[in-house]
Amino acid sequence: DAGVTQSPTHLIKTRGQHVTLRCSPISGHKSVSWYQQVLGQGPQFIFQYYEKEERGRGNFPDRFSARQFPNYSSELNVNALLLGDSALYLCASSLAGARGTGELFFGEGSRLTVL
Amino acid sequence: AQSVTQLDSQVPVFEEAPVELRCNYSSSVSVYLFWYVQYPNQGLQLLLKYLSGSTLVKGINGFEAEFNKSQTSFHLRKPSVHISDTAEYFCAVRAMDSSYKLIFGSGTRLLVRP
Repeated sequence: DAGVTQSPTHLIKTRGQHVTLRCSPISGHKSVSWYQQVLGQGPQFIFQYYEKEERGRGNFPDRFSARQFPNYSSELNVNALLLGDSALYLCASSLAGARGTGELFFGEGSRLTVL
Repeated sequence: AQSVTQLDSQVPVFEEAPVELRCNYSSSVSVYLFWYVQYPNQGLQLLLKYLSGSTLVKGINGFEAEFNKSQTSFHLRKPSVHISDTAEYFCAVRAMDSSYKLIFGSGTRLLVRP
């Protein structure tokens, strides 16, 4: 079975541009979460979506937005890119959306470089 | 709110030696505890997790961790490391009564030397 897939794997943007990152969860998983990992740091929670509804949001500005589609895939959008947005963006999927003892499965990430 | 502290940013060790990677956490509610490994240019892979029950948890690749509630610690150990264990290791917590939001530490780079 395919794991969590993310695209693109690498991309370069300039300040002020907009970027869209995509994620397909493991088949049967209904929850998708997004994390930002700046070089040399641990991942930081951005969003969680479950059954197409936002279930959690981290401490990120409104330039960051996301959505989940009926097939449970997800997009992360970042507007007005800043140099500090350069990071590895990780997507994770899980069966359920809250509580429980289930596991998060991570994709390999999309590495964004902002010049 | 929860927080995770990994005091060691890098741990160098010789091949076949034992290793311990330290993790301390802070939380006002009960939490689940996790260790993830990240190899270069890859995503995160779950090594092990503590949900309840026995405080000694065994994971993949010969790793184990011990949950100590009084010291709010969840240290990761391996009795004999291999070159292939060289990677970044992240400790993480998740509140039991919330969504699947993980709070990660800053990571410890394990560098195994021949």
